Amino acid sequence: DTAVSQTPKYLVTQMGNDKSIKCEQNLGHDTMYWYKQDSKKFLKIMFSYNNKELIINETVPNRFSPKSPDKAHLNLHINSLELGDSAVYFCASSQDQRAYEQYFGPGTRLTVT
Amino acid sequence: AQSVSQHNHHVILSEAASLELGCNYSYGGTVNLFWYVQYPGQHLQLLLKYFSGDPLVKGIKGFEAEFIKSKFSFNLRKPSVQWSDTAEYFCAVNAHTGGFKTIFGAGTRLFVKA
Repeated sequence: DTAVSQTPKYLVTQMGNDKSIKCEQNLGHDTMYWYKQDSKKFLKIMFSYNNKELIINETVPNRFSPKSPDKAHLNLHINSLELGDSAVYFCASSQDQRAYEQYFGPGTRLTVT
Repeated sequence: AQSVSQHNHHVILSEAASLELGCNYSYGGTVNLFWYVQYPGQHLQLLLKYFSGDPLVKGIKGFEAEFIKSKFSFNLRKPSVQWSDTAEYFCAVNAHTGGFKTIFGAGTRLFVKA
């Protein structure tokens, strides 16, 4: 059973397009996250939701818009994709905001050409 | 601002060598500390964690880490590495700074030669 799943695993698209990445967790966790991992493997938090409420919103371009329809899902929509958006995006979840332990999804490798 | 520093970006070891990866953080309050591992082509998974109590924590696959509060450090160790330990290792710190946030270090890429 997959604890945190993401779709798609790979996404190749052209500049200017709009794309979405979906994330689902079946752990019953309250808190979910989106991280961006760049080519140097640096992992940076983008957003965090707790029970569908946005609690962390880092300095991310407003082209990125997270949506949490329920606490088991956290989707990421990206408008007007740019070359610099190319990265691996990881979804994660934790039991609550204290993030005692985070469970990561397999990642979505986004390539913008 | 809260930050996490990992001293070594790349480490190359031969099998059976001992490993120590450094991690320092800059936050004076109560913290939860983690080491995550990312094997090639895989997602991050928890290696070990420290919340309170014994500052020497043991994790999976023979890894351990020691929390030294006075040095703001949480170094990862393994007495004898294996080729299968080749991976990226991330130190992470979670603290309450007006909200809970986990900050990851830049990662250390370990390559173990067979």
